[in-house]
Amino acid sequence: DAKTTQPPSMDCAEGRAANLPCNHSTISGNEYVYWYRQIHSQGPQYIIHGLKNNETNEMASLIITEDRKSSTLILPHATLRDTAVYYCIVRAYQAGTALIFGKGTTLSVSS
Amino acid sequence: DTEVTQTPKHLVMGMTNKKSLKCEQHMGHRAMYWYKQKAKKPPELMFVYSYEKLSINESVPSRFSPECPNSSLLNLHLHALQPEDSALYLCASRLSGAYNEQFFGPGTRLTVL
Repeated sequence: DAKTTQPPSMDCAEGRAANLPCNHSTISGNEYVYWYRQIHSQGPQYIIHGLKNNETNEMASLIITEDRKSSTLILPHATLRDTAVYYCIVRAYQAGTALIFGKGTTLSVSS
Repeated sequence: DTEVTQTPKHLVMGMTNKKSLKCEQHMGHRAMYWYKQKAKKPPELMFVYSYEKLSINESVPSRFSPECPNSSLLNLHLHALQPEDSALYLCASRLSGAYNEQFFGPGTRLTVL
């Protein structure tokens, strides 16, 4: 079973920030939080990951709460091309483990 | 080279056919994965290979047979499939090391008639 809970869908206006929440209340100390997205009929695309500190890259920012039970992915200036299913995944700090996908959040960006 | 390639992009096969899906990466990744994705569902893990050895089989029916001939190549052999096996088949790879991200290929769209 997936270890994360995400809202099934969200809407965002183009140019605004998209804030996608994720609950992972049972996360263990050795588990990272990963975010991927999947644009229609394409392979999932890596966005960002983190352990306990906030992270930022050219695509997004990841804010993890101090107790690590939830996180938020922030797309600072959403565009129409950001319309996709966004998956929040927790994965153990072990070689050989794989990403297990939950249902994700469908983000719709409109002009 | 920073991508995972999959061939063919589309495949239509009958229930009595034998076919193979191919996945290739040249990033030096030693973990490779097969996922199956039905329409409007998340990807489901099928197999994991670590250093060319099968490490995880998620109770996949034997009509799906994976093979990892070398560190760059992953195959999925298909035989006697059912129409319900129609799906997008995704390959992924990851550099060894606990926190590295998985890179996914574009997938093979399989239709079983």
